[in-house]
Amino acid sequence: AQSVTQLDSQVPVFEEAPVELRCNYSSSVSVYLFWYVQYPNQGLQLLLKYLSGSTLVKGINGFEAEFNKSQTSFHLRKPSVHISDTAEYFCAVSDQGAQKLVFGQGTRLTINP
Amino acid sequence: SQTIHQWPATLVQPVGSPLSLECTVEGTSNPNLYWYRQAAGRGLQLLFYSVGIGQISSEVPQNLSASRPQDRQFILSSKKLLLSDSGFYLCAWSTGTTYEQYFGPGTRLTVT
Repeated sequence: AQSVTQLDSQVPVFEEAPVELRCNYSSSVSVYLFWYVQYPNQGLQLLLKYLSGSTLVKGINGFEAEFNKSQTSFHLRKPSVHISDTAEYFCAVSDQGAQKLVFGQGTRLTINP
Repeated sequence: SQTIHQWPATLVQPVGSPLSLECTVEGTSNPNLYWYRQAAGRGLQLLFYSVGIGQISSEVPQNLSASRPQDRQFILSSKKLLLSDSGFYLCAWSTGTTYEQYFGPGTRLTVT
C-alpha cells in the first residue's frame, strides 16, 4: 500500500522568504500526486496536481511542485510567501486505478512578519 | 459548476447519543464519495468511500457507519457516540475518472 511522509510537521518562515515543504512517497509503478491546503476550520483546497507530463507543476497562489521519480519526492515550493499562506498543507498520492488518496500527516506553515 | 455541502457545520453531542451527518454534491452525477475524519492536530483518516448507490467500503472498523441512499447523498451515522468520535469530519467527491478529490467545508463534532 502507498504511504506518504511529510518530513516537517511545522515550518516557520518570515514573510517574503522562500519556502519548501517536503513530501516523499513509497515507490510504485505509477502515481498521481497532489498538494492540498487547509485554512483553519475549513475543508481542503486543491493547490496542484501531477498526473503526467512535465515534472514541474504550477498551482494556485504562486505555488509549484516538482515530481522526482528517482527520489520518490514531490516537494512544494513558493519563492516568496505572504501572511495569507499561513495554513496546513497536505501531500497526497493515489495509485493508478485506485479510487482513494493516501494523505501525509500535514505540514503547518507559519508566516512571521 | 460542482458544489459540495455538509451539514451541520458544528455539532455538540453527549456520549451515547446518535449521530447523522449529511453530505450532498451538486452539478455532477455518479461521483465517488468519501468520508474523512481529522482529529485535533492530526492528519486525515479515510473512514468510508462509495463508488455508487448502496456501495460502501469501510476503511476503519469502528462504531460509525455510512450510507448512500441517493446518487449524490452520503450520510455518516452512529448509534452511540464515543468521546473518541470528536473531530472534524470532511466529505469529498471525485469523478472516478480523474483522481483529485474535492472537499466540503466540514463538520466540527464535539462529543461531551
